[in-house]
Amino acid sequence: QQPVQSPQAVILREGEDAVINCSSSKALYSVHWYRQKHGEAPVFLMILLKGGEQKGHEKISASFNEKKQQSSLYLTASQLSYSGTYFCGTAGGSSNTGKLIFGQGTTLQVKP
Amino acid sequence: GAVVSQHPSRVICKSGTSVKIECRSLDFQATTMFWYRQFPKQSLMLMATSNEGSKATYEQGVEKDKFLINHASLTLSTLTVTSAHPEDSSFYICSARDFEGGTQYFGPGTRLLVL
Repeated sequence: QQPVQSPQAVILREGEDAVINCSSSKALYSVHWYRQKHGEAPVFLMILLKGGEQKGHEKISASFNEKKQQSSLYLTASQLSYSGTYFCGTAGGSSNTGKLIFGQGTTLQVKP
Repeated sequence: GAVVSQHPSRVICKSGTSVKIECRSLDFQATTMFWYRQFPKQSLMLMATSNEGSKATYEQGVEKDKFLINHASLTLSTLTVTSAHPEDSSFYICSARDFEGGTQYFGPGTRLLVL
């Protein structure tokens, strides 16, 4: 079942922060975050494998609450280059089969 | 990061013809590759899972006789769209899974237009 992302779209000014949420109705093994720019393929941001795990990548970080079956992506001090559509991909079950189901995406637009 | 290539990047074909798309992992071996289709402003829809040396596993609603997948080696998977029709026009993206870390790396995608 497809995970649900919120919000669907967000507009920011440079330097502002944003949070993108990803919720699943099924138990999760891992959550993967990607950013896709128009006309291009998705680019890997990070993978979270353990419940309660948090990871950071420059000014982009994420958390994974296994019990709540949720993950959140945090974008701090946003830059123009952060604009794009963010997708979470979830892998369910008790083992990592690799198969991902992607959310519907969250479009982020960062303005000067 | 790992590099995945896809060829061709863009193809235009006539209705009824077949089109082959190649997906290669350039600097790592991928026992598993995935094929996705993406329509404009929509999410990535998984079509099939391709495992080296075995038959592909197709998602519900995806015709296996129409979308032929071959995973001949640890670095190459191909998707052939047979008897293409205009409704098959889409952005096809492959990904290769890094077995050690579990990360999927996407190829640049192939934009297919069937006239």
